[in-house]
Amino acid sequence: AQSVAQPEDQVNVAEGNPLTVKCTYSVSGNPYLFWYVQYPNRGLQFLLKYITGDNLVKGSYGFEAEFNKSQTSFHLKKPSALVSDSALYFCAVVFMEYGNKLVFGAGTILRVKS
Amino acid sequence: EPEVTQTPSHQVTQMGQEVILRCVPISNHLYFYWYRQILGQKVEFLVSFYNNEISEKSEIFDDQFSVERPDGSNFTLKIRSTKLEDSAMYFCASSARTAPYEQYFGPGTRLTVT
Repeated sequence: AQSVAQPEDQVNVAEGNPLTVKCTYSVSGNPYLFWYVQYPNRGLQFLLKYITGDNLVKGSYGFEAEFNKSQTSFHLKKPSALVSDSALYFCAVVFMEYGNKLVFGAGTILRVKS
Repeated sequence: EPEVTQTPSHQVTQMGQEVILRCVPISNHLYFYWYRQILGQKVEFLVSFYNNEISEKSEIFDDQFSVERPDGSNFTLKIRSTKLEDSAMYFCASSARTAPYEQYFGPGTRLTVT
C-alpha cells in the first residue's frame, strides 16, 4: 500500500538557521511528491513538487526539497528559517498507477523562534 | 491568481441531518476532489470526480456521501445523515487536465456535528 511518513511531529529551529522537515514514502512505482503548508485556519497551500528530472526542486518562499530515490525520501529544506515559516507542513505522494489521489503524511509542525 | 473557494467556512449541524458543502474549483480545471482532516489527524482522500462521474473513492466515502457538479462552476459534497464522527475539516481541491496530480486546495469547511 502507498504510504508517507513524516517521522517528526514537531521541528524547532532558530530564526536564521537552516531547517529540514523529513518525509519518506513506501516504494511502489514512480511517485510524484509534494509539499503543502497549512497556516492556522487556512487551507493547504502548494509549496513544491517533484515529478521527474533534477532531484533538487525549488518552490515557494525559498523552500526546496531533494528527492532521494535510494532512500525513498523527499525532505523539505530552507537555508535560513523565518519566524513566518512557522506552520504545519504536509508531505504528500501521488502514485499515478493508482490514480490522482494524494496520500498525505501526518504533518510536521515547524516552529521558528526569534 | 485563481483559487478554489469553499462555503460555508463553518457548518454546525445536528446528528442525522443532511449537509451540503460547496466548492467552486478553479475555472479551467477538470478534476475535482474532496479530502477531509479530522482534528489532529492526517488529511484523507475521500473522492475524485472527472467528466461528471466519480473516478475514485476511498473506503470512507460510503453510501452516506455523494458528490455533484450541478452546474458549470460548483462542486458539492453531500452527507445524507451526519454522524458525530463526520466532524472534520473538509477540503475541496481541483486540478487541470494537463497536470491532474497538481492539486490546488480551498480553505476548507469546518463541519461540526453535535
